Amino acid sequence: EPEVTQTPSHQVTQMGQEVILRCVPISNHLYFYWYRQILGQKVEFLVSFYNNEISEKSEIFDDQFSVERPDGSNFTLKIRSTKLEDSAMYFCASSAIKQGSTLNTEAFFGQGTRLTVV
Amino acid sequence: AQKITQTQPGMFVQEKEAVTLDCTYDTSDPSYGLFWYKQPSSGEMIFLIYQGSYDQQNATEGRYSLNFQKARKSANLVISASQLGDSAMYFCAFHMDTGRRALTFGSGTRLQVQP
Repeated sequence: EPEVTQTPSHQVTQMGQEVILRCVPISNHLYFYWYRQILGQKVEFLVSFYNNEISEKSEIFDDQFSVERPDGSNFTLKIRSTKLEDSAMYFCASSAIKQGSTLNTEAFFGQGTRLTVV
Repeated sequence: AQKITQTQPGMFVQEKEAVTLDCTYDTSDPSYGLFWYKQPSSGEMIFLIYQGSYDQQNATEGRYSLNFQKARKSANLVISASQLGDSAMYFCAFHMDTGRRALTFGSGTRLQVQP
């Protein structure tokens, strides 16, 4: 069964350092997303990506964040200068448009990268 | 803006019993989708079930069914014949058909299945 793959599963970084979280979405999917979940809280949308550009971003996704699809398979989230409050689980997701349907369905999530900023 | 509400922070159910997890939403958009995800203690998000706003029938996936009441704007998840492995956090999520396709999540319900 196709799946979204994220690496690493856990990353510890010093405050102020740059981190890159990596994702391989499902190959025939068109929409890609990053979400985050601070420990014990709900999942929050960060950014969506379609047709090689950001289609939407939340207020959380400030200038410290950037996304890139450097090749046909990877989708990355970069945090330029990490802060303690960036510690969270980061989920990548992808979804496809169904033929004959105007709806995106079944957004598949990766297993997450737990980022710890110390 | 859309809003998703899960009013039950925690629920207990006996093994083999059915349980209903509540979810209400607020939108003026006529075309949207509703999702339920399971998050076990290991942290991954597992897709369970989807309901489109124009679907005539309630969605079902194995032991999961979605009690969709459009006029009430509710999309409750029903888990039949609960198993110990169903113990997890459950999130309801919403997205619009047009414009924003990203999911808006509720705050979650922690379900504990007791033997």
